[in-house]
Amino acid sequence: DAKTTQPTSMDCAEGRAANLPCNHSTISGNEYVYWYRQIHSQGPQYIIHGLKNNETNEMASLIITEDRKSSTLILPHATLRDTAVYYCIAYNTGTASKLTFGTGTRLQVTL
Amino acid sequence: GAVVSQHPSWVICKSGTSVKIECRSLDFQATTMFWYRQFPKQSLMLMATSNEGSKATYEQGVEKDKFLINHASLTLSTLTVTSAHPEDSSFYICSAIYSNQPQHFGDGTRLSIL
Repeated sequence: DAKTTQPTSMDCAEGRAANLPCNHSTISGNEYVYWYRQIHSQGPQYIIHGLKNNETNEMASLIITEDRKSSTLILPHATLRDTAVYYCIAYNTGTASKLTFGTGTRLQVTL
Repeated sequence: GAVVSQHPSWVICKSGTSVKIECRSLDFQATTMFWYRQFPKQSLMLMATSNEGSKATYEQGVEKDKFLINHASLTLSTLTVTSAHPEDSSFYICSAIYSNQPQHFGDGTRLSIL
């Protein structure tokens, strides 16, 4: 699976949009971009995934650049409960292969 | 949505004992289950991949005789840490997958060996 690069940490004020970037310049054509988050002392929670089109669900939006070398996860109105480590993972769903977790971005939402 | 249940959520036991952790997919049949381990302030590290009815595939450096995995049904996988020692203390997390759906994770088991 392609390597991804994320900032180590970010802060966001409650109520504002949190934009979490991810670089995946070596992503291959059949790899999706997956986002998970891990709240302290819990298992990772699936957020969203996409291949090349932008995606939106009840949790977040995913913006993928046209060249697919980077993406941004957007939490439109961050709350304190969104404080977590966010992981961006390039993943080939076709092989049901393992997810490789990097160090992620620690998002701190503040009042 | 898909739910994966892990039990127990935490366990404390003496050095030398064996500990079994269960992972269940509650509303879907999991073709594959995964076991991860996470040490404090580190990311998740895959230990093994388990397919129903077949032997688990272990990652390099993970002792298969120490971490016994049984995947007897499409909804249950177990991880047994045999003869556990303090260095095995960690946060163990399972995940399950069906077809090409996203992996869903349990809430983890915090294991403390005294």
